[in-house]
Amino acid sequence: EPEVTQTPSHQVTQMGQEVILRCVPISNHLYFYWYRQILGQKVEFLVSFYNNEISEKSEIFDDQFSVERPDGSNFTLKIRSTKLEDSAMYFCASSVGGEVNEQFFGPGTRLTVL
Amino acid sequence: RKEVEQDPGPFNVPEGATVAFNCTYSNSASQSFFWYRQDCRKEPKLLMSVYSSGNEDGRFTAQLNRASQYISLLIRDSKLSDSATYLCVVLYSGGGADGLTFGKGTHLIIQP
Repeated sequence: EPEVTQTPSHQVTQMGQEVILRCVPISNHLYFYWYRQILGQKVEFLVSFYNNEISEKSEIFDDQFSVERPDGSNFTLKIRSTKLEDSAMYFCASSVGGEVNEQFFGPGTRLTVL
Repeated sequence: RKEVEQDPGPFNVPEGATVAFNCTYSNSASQSFFWYRQDCRKEPKLLMSVYSSGNEDGRFTAQLNRASQYISLLIRDSKLSDSATYLCVVLYSGGGADGLTFGKGTHLIIQP
């Protein structure tokens, strides 16, 4: 069964550093998403991406965040200057879109900002 | 405003029992509804989509009440492996651009 994959599984960085989180969505999916989950809190939507551009973004997704699909398979989330409060699990998801739009999640990257 | 409310639990239930969760959502224009399950420190996994007519998948039954804006999940003959956090999830528009809105989850513990 096809799956969303993410690398790395855990990333530790110093405050102020840039990080890039990587995802490979399911191959026939058209819509890609990033979510985050701070420890003990609910999963929160960051951004959706379709046809090589951002479709929607939440208020969390400010200027320090960017997304890119650099080639035919990878989908990346860049955080330019990490803050302590960026420490969270970051989940990538993908879907075929459509009326019901079931989204399938990758295993996540745990980001720890020191 | 987009909010999804769930009872956080925990629900402690003996193996073999039936357990039910509800959740409520705030935006009456919501389009699609889902139950996901999340194991500790893992990703949310889609359990089932919830349709207006209600739907069943083995031991799991989901119901949607649009008038009252609530969604339910019933688990029959619960197994130890059902222990997890169950996330009520709402999508406010179809197509694909919109992100999912998650509840905080209901924690279920099945006891032997």
